[in-house]
Amino acid sequence: ETGVTQTPRHLVMGMTNKKSLKCEQHLGHNAMYWYKQSAKKPLELMFVYSLEERVENNSVPSRFSPECPNSSHLFLHLHTLQPEDSALYLCASSLGPGQGMGGYTFGSGTRLTVV
Amino acid sequence: GQQVMQIPQYQHVQEGEDFTTYCNSSTTLSNIQWYKQRPGGHPVFLIQLVKSGEVKKQKRLTFQFGEAKKNSSLHITATQTTDVGTYFCAGPSGEYGNKLVFGAGTILRVKS
Repeated sequence: ETGVTQTPRHLVMGMTNKKSLKCEQHLGHNAMYWYKQSAKKPLELMFVYSLEERVENNSVPSRFSPECPNSSHLFLHLHTLQPEDSALYLCASSLGPGQGMGGYTFGSGTRLTVV
Repeated sequence: GQQVMQIPQYQHVQEGEDFTTYCNSSTTLSNIQWYKQRPGGHPVFLIQLVKSGEVKKQKRLTFQFGEAKKNSSLHITATQTTDVGTYFCAGPSGEYGNKLVFGAGTILRVKS
């Protein structure tokens, strides 16, 4: 376990389904992130939640909807996805920039397949 | 926006040989971080460099931050099969520096 727990580990969903990815951390971090990792592409930052800033990434399609109810939990709600959205979705947490940030702790990821 | 370039994309070495990956940023960085991702795994934080010209070592791994704080390198001495994986560099971006921009990574394969 990394200290950042992601569920589910694997998810297969149809293009008309609605599902949610969950991320939980108890490291005392106050910044959480969603990244997308596709084959042969760099890690793409999707969303950032921190005390200093809540960033809705305008380049991410609206079929991805984040929710951060508190500093320990982060969700990614999915609806009407496309096959090209199939990827590994990684959650990460860190200290906020006001605390020196430091390295990110990543969860094990959710391997998403859209059929 | 800020870009972080990494080379080489891929390297296949014989066990015992050395390995180096290089990272270049389009902008000056306040710090640079390195991560390792094993096949089928997730990125794991290795180290953060903050000072210009900084050099840090972790056993057989040597990390260097350039004087201009725009480039960095990771050197592995005498590679082992346990070093297999993808090595990523990452630099902070955004107004608060709370968004890490990752390089594409260097995939290391080690032949025993």
